[in-house]
Amino acid sequence: NAGVTQTPKFRILKIGQSMTLQCTQDMNHNYMYWYRQDPGMGLKLIYYSVGAGITDKGEVPNGYNVSRSTTEDFPLRLELAAPSQTSVYFCASSWGGPPGAQYFGPGTRLLVL
Amino acid sequence: ELKVEQNPLFLSMQEGKNYTIYCNYSTTSDRLYWYRQDPGKSLESLFVLLSNGAVKQEGRLMASLDTKARLSTLHITAAVHDLSATYFCAVDSSGTYKYIFGTGTRLKVLA
Repeated sequence: NAGVTQTPKFRILKIGQSMTLQCTQDMNHNYMYWYRQDPGMGLKLIYYSVGAGITDKGEVPNGYNVSRSTTEDFPLRLELAAPSQTSVYFCASSWGGPPGAQYFGPGTRLLVL
Repeated sequence: ELKVEQNPLFLSMQEGKNYTIYCNYSTTSDRLYWYRQDPGKSLESLFVLLSNGAVKQEGRLMASLDTKARLSTLHITAAVHDLSATYFCAVDSSGTYKYIFGTGTRLKVLA
């Protein structure tokens, strides 16, 4: 099992550009999550999904969009990138039932200039 | 709104010493998780605490949960350099599997 995979690993965007961060898991987990981690800070939940076709906002959803058409994939879309979106983005997945521990991907480092 | 606070934020300790990291949260929850993050790396799960009074131990780390006090502790026994990392607690918001993370505790163990 590859677990949770994310692409790309690193990306530089210009202000106003758009991009999609990809996330795939092969553990058949129902729940998937997107977090951002600013330097020296904790994780902030952007969006999460409890199953294909179902998504909900987290703590910091503004400037982002998600979709969940399959169990395996949960892409995060950035529209009109801004310097404030410079961060490391982590995707995670979990069963959705006890025990509920999350499995994290390796992260995508995004720099908006 | 669920808030999760950790203290201390930074901890520098000598090898062989004991210390405790605290995780306080603001609303009722029976599920609390501890994660470790090495510099520049992703997060890995350490402990899952699912009920009041739960205690889990792995090597030199022991985690406990007091849901009535809304407090979890991560106790480090006889620290070694390999434990240097950032430790996060995360709380399940009202049983929804929507997790709120603490600010993290950056631990540095000095030889």
